[in-house]
Amino acid sequence: EIVLTQSPATLSLSPGERATLSCRASQSISSYLAWYQHKPGQAPRLLIYDASNRATGIPARFSGSGSGTDFTLTISSLEPEDFAVYYCQHRNNWPRTFGQGTKVEVK
Amino acid sequence: EVQLVESGGDLIQPGGSLRLACAVSGFSFINCAMGWVRQAPGKRPEWVAVISGNGGIPAYRDAVRGRFTISRDNSENTMYLQMNGLRDDDTAIYYCAKYDGSGDDGIHWGNADYWGQGTLVTVSS
Repeated sequence: EIVLTQSPATLSLSPGERATLSCRASQSISSYLAWYQHKPGQAPRLLIYDASNRATGIPARFSGSGSGTDFTLTISSLEPEDFAVYYCQHRNNWPRTFGQGTKVEVK
Repeated sequence: EVQLVESGGDLIQPGGSLRLACAVSGFSFINCAMGWVRQAPGKRPEWVAVISGNGGIPAYRDAVRGRFTISRDNSENTMYLQMNGLRDDDTAIYYCAKYDGSGDDGIHWGNADYWGQGTLVTVSS
């Protein structure tokens, strides 16, 4: 089973600041990584798939990069609605595992 | 608009059974694999089960294989998760998810692009 490790656990930032989230895989997963945004009581929302492709309707301030074992989600300028928990997930094989999450909170 | 609505979550005693349902609309159900993902309190999400668009290929995580059964009714646009022999560690919010591949060939499952809001399953005596 592939283990995904996200860092940092919590990111305290102000609106307008840049957020950089990391996800590291225990073995190579090519570009088969997705990023999800999750707010309490809501459905998780796909932001980025296959490392760098924005999902339908996702604003351009969200971008993803990386391949192999190291991946990054960048939010160029935080909007009030971006404060949430972010998870990475691979689709290299089954079981598809998730990272433990990074909480982006208001500083 | 794509919509996924879960139902069936409840408080159940250890060893009991429960059936979850996921009713969908807004997309071609038969052309999409579907799955269940759960998240226990304070834990990361974990994939539970997935089923191909034509229903011919189910897959399960080891911890639930033999106790849980995933199925779908393509005429009713609904997916199910029959959970038997429930244990304390099955307590979680269960989410249904739509994949953008059918998985009918066992290979092209795609990404989980839409999710429901979840239904709570609590296993406790």
